[in-house]
Amino acid sequence: GAVVSQHPSRVICKSGTSVKIECRSLDFQATTMFWYRQFPKQSLMLMATSNEGSKATYEQGVEKDKFLINHASLTLSTLTVTSAHPEDSSFYICSAVRTGDDEQFFGPGTRLTVL
Amino acid sequence: DAKTTQPPSMDCAEGRAANLPCNHSTISGNEYVYWYRQIHSQGPQYIIHGLKNNETNEMASLIITEDRKSSTLILPHATLRDTAVYYCIVRESGGSYIPTFGRGTSLIVHP
Repeated sequence: GAVVSQHPSRVICKSGTSVKIECRSLDFQATTMFWYRQFPKQSLMLMATSNEGSKATYEQGVEKDKFLINHASLTLSTLTVTSAHPEDSSFYICSAVRTGDDEQFFGPGTRLTVL
Repeated sequence: DAKTTQPPSMDCAEGRAANLPCNHSTISGNEYVYWYRQIHSQGPQYIIHGLKNNETNEMASLIITEDRKSSTLILPHATLRDTAVYYCIVRESGGSYIPTFGRGTSLIVHP
C-alpha cells in the first residue's frame, strides 16, 4: 500500500528556534500534499495545501511567514515552523494525494513541543 | 466538501458490532463517502469508502442509504484496538478538493 512518512516523529525545541518537519511519499508521487495541525482533543485543522513546484496555499488565519512550506519534489514536502513559541506546540500531520487516482494517504504525525 | 454530522461519542462491548452513523444530507451526486479513523497520537487511517452501493473490506462494512443522505460504518466484531476517533468525510473522487475533518465520533470499546 501507499506509505507516507514524517520525520521527526517528535521534537522538543526551545522557544525562538525553528523546526523543520519532512513529509515523504515513499512509493508514489504526490503533486499535492496537505498539512494539518491538531490540538489535544480536537479534530484535524487544515493549515495549507502544498503543490509541487508552486507556492503553498494557506488557510485563513495561518501565517505563511511563520509556517514555511516547500514542496520541492513529487515525493517531499517540508513544513518549517519559524521562531517557534509554546503555543505552536501541537501534533502536525501531513497527507499526500497520489498522482493518478487522487487518493489521499496520511503520515503518522509529528509531535512538536516548544519549551 | 459537504458537511457531515456524527455523534460525538459511542461505546460498545468487545466482540460486539459497532455501528457508527453519519449524516450527510447535502451530499452531491459525485461525492463519495469516506471513513477514516485516528488512534491516539497517530495519523488518520483509511478504512473504507463508497458512492452508492454498500461496501465491505477486511476492516469494516459501509452501508449507504438509498437517498445517500446518511451512512453507517460497521465494525462487525469490535476489539479493544478499535478504540479511536472515527471520521466520516464526503468528497469528490478525483479533481481538486479540500479535505476537511469534522469532530468525528470517539468510539470506546470496553472489555
